[in-house]
Amino acid sequence: ETGVTQSPTHLIKTRGQQVTLRCSSQSGHNTVSWYQQALGQGPQFIFQYYREEENGRGNFPPRFSGLQFPNYSSELNVNALELDDSALYLCASSWANTEAFFGQGTRLTVV
Amino acid sequence: AQSVAQPEDQVNVAEGNPLTVKCTYSVSGNPYLFWYVQYPNRGLQFLLKYITGDNLVKGSYGFEAEFNKSQTSFHLKKPSALVSDSALYFCAVRDTTSGTYKYIFGTGTRLKVLA
Repeated sequence: ETGVTQSPTHLIKTRGQQVTLRCSSQSGHNTVSWYQQALGQGPQFIFQYYREEENGRGNFPPRFSGLQFPNYSSELNVNALELDDSALYLCASSWANTEAFFGQGTRLTVV
Repeated sequence: AQSVAQPEDQVNVAEGNPLTVKCTYSVSGNPYLFWYVQYPNRGLQFLLKYITGDNLVKGSYGFEAEFNKSQTSFHLKKPSALVSDSALYFCAVRDTTSGTYKYIFGTGTRLKVLA
């Protein structure tokens, strides 16, 4: 098991609502990335935080936003949920350019 | 643009036989290549990586991968498959052009090891 933990593990939201997902990174890791994995697909990069600053973003709309805190934990916020946002959301932490360690993911279902 | 391709959606192999899961890549510059495994309802687990050096990379759980620059491939291998190896395997390249450390993943290959 990695030291990356995500919460909650599952949740169900209604279209139009807002959701916050949380990630506690592995000790010593200062970089956190978020990925969306739709059913049957590979993970897609949402954004990355390094020392509390966003330093990269994938092809996701602004309603996907995030934060990184001084202890390097992170949040992913999604506003105005759409049905297509249903997916497994993965958090990954790393130190500099070493390999990333992933959490177990949060399964989001939008109905 | 950097990318990886996993040409097989599923690979079936008998327990005890060698297994190969294929991956090809397209990058500008030197490739940083990774393999991850995903078990049902779980996150991704790191298996191995190639950054530089020996073309044969050894990783976790008896897996290894062979980097072939001329064929732009990074195939995952194991000499003797176990039923417990059945899972979803992802090849990934690390983006070295955007200033982030993001991964670009393939579509995944489902490995099924038959008893």
